[in-house]
Amino acid sequence: GAGVSQSPRYKVAKRGQDVALRCDPISGHVSLFWYQQALGQGPEFLTYFQNEAQLDKSGLPSDRFFAERPEGSVSTLKIQRTQQEDSAVYLCASRAWETRVLYGYTFGSGTRLTVV
Amino acid sequence: GQQLNQSPQSMFIQEGEDVSMNCTSSSIFNTWLWYKQEPGEGPVLLIALYKAGELTSNGRLTAQFGITRKDSFLNISASIPSDVGIYFCAGEISNFGNEKLTFGTGTRLTIIP
Repeated sequence: GAGVSQSPRYKVAKRGQDVALRCDPISGHVSLFWYQQALGQGPEFLTYFQNEAQLDKSGLPSDRFFAERPEGSVSTLKIQRTQQEDSAVYLCASRAWETRVLYGYTFGSGTRLTVV
Repeated sequence: GQQLNQSPQSMFIQEGEDVSMNCTSSSIFNTWLWYKQEPGEGPVLLIALYKAGELTSNGRLTAQFGITRKDSFLNISASIPSDVGIYFCAGEISNFGNEKLTFGTGTRLTIIP
């Protein structure tokens, strides 16, 4: 597609529920990133992939967070046993390695997760 | 997680005024980026800087990559209503296998009618 697509746009989860957030990157983009943005803050890095390889997951806040990109395109961020502190906007971004100097990252519109 | 120090936190200006904001880090970055974010949307890239000392313009926007590689500033000239939003700086090491961005805390720009 023309841009990075994320779904759902909004998710309300009861505390303890598992959620799955989906990201469709721009076709052909090698690198895919997940960021978490709390209210009033800048985005914070969670994890990133080059193709299907997860090269850095140092930003995942706990072992309840898990991300995958099995075929090197669509990615899913899964949060198990959600807690109230997980409430945030989850942003996905992608970039093409060969055009990184020109275009940088393209971000999706995010999924706003609210845990009640 | 680490966030870069960005100032000011918010700005209230009149249309037509110039705007200046800056970003500092305790770490060196090889790339500095400036993004704008509007409500309900993801950040949109405004300017990318790849070399220490570099000064780059994009229309009414001008940004500089600090010589020490630990800071950057963004200027907006002759502000217009569509400039309203939150501006974020971001730094990147830019090595293969290490592409993550570290964002600033944001500057919220409001234009007073």
